[in-house]
Amino acid sequence: QVQLVASGGAVVQPGGSLRLSCAVSGFTFSRYGMHWVRQAPGKGLQWVAAISHDGTLTYYLDSVKGRFTISRDNSKNTLYLQMNSLRAEDTAVYSCASNLIVGAWYFDYWGQGTLVTVSS
Amino acid sequence: EIVLTQSPGTLSLSPGERATLSCRASQSISNNYLAWYQQKPGQAPRLLISAASSRATGIPDRFSGSGSGTDFTLTINRLEPEDFAVYYCQQYGSSRPITFGQGTRLEI
Repeated sequence: QVQLVASGGAVVQPGGSLRLSCAVSGFTFSRYGMHWVRQAPGKGLQWVAAISHDGTLTYYLDSVKGRFTISRDNSKNTLYLQMNSLRAEDTAVYSCASNLIVGAWYFDYWGQGTLVTVSS
Repeated sequence: EIVLTQSPGTLSLSPGERATLSCRASQSISNNYLAWYQQKPGQAPRLLISAASSRATGIPDRFSGSGSGTDFTLTINRLEPEDFAVYYCQQYGSSRPITFGQGTRLEI
């Protein structure tokens, strides 16, 4: 059974940092590109970041570039998102998702998210 | 950035009817790289369709996708009670970032 379980969400002050994790089971993690997607309250889905199956390539939404870092540990089947210099507009539910086909970023599997609230 | 506009925002139908959901892109999507997802309350989205018309593994054949360029459609024939959910389209063509539509709520 495929599971993607995101954790690490919390309430943090503007300018603060947070590290999200996504534990994966049920498929061969090291074969899949991985992504973070967020959904702000009452808003639509927004892609945030991606990492290649082997961790050598990373991609970011312009508004998070330089503040967020996506990484992975294939030995632990875990995806991470380090979020620094957080802003109010980063408040959202963050979910992890996987894609198998290089260059075709649609999501075969998608986990439930973890809530990040940036507020003073 | 490609903007995807889904219509209608909410669609009210009865079990057994056919649902037609639209997704229109602000510019042509390369290779017709458009996906559809279903999301139920409290659950993660589920992939239904990729490449505009290719059903994902395990998706019933009452779900079908069509379209090309800028206009795409998700059709659900013979609605089942479990089909009532929110549906999102997503483009993953060569234009970055990948983007999603705002969703269509299919309600009974």
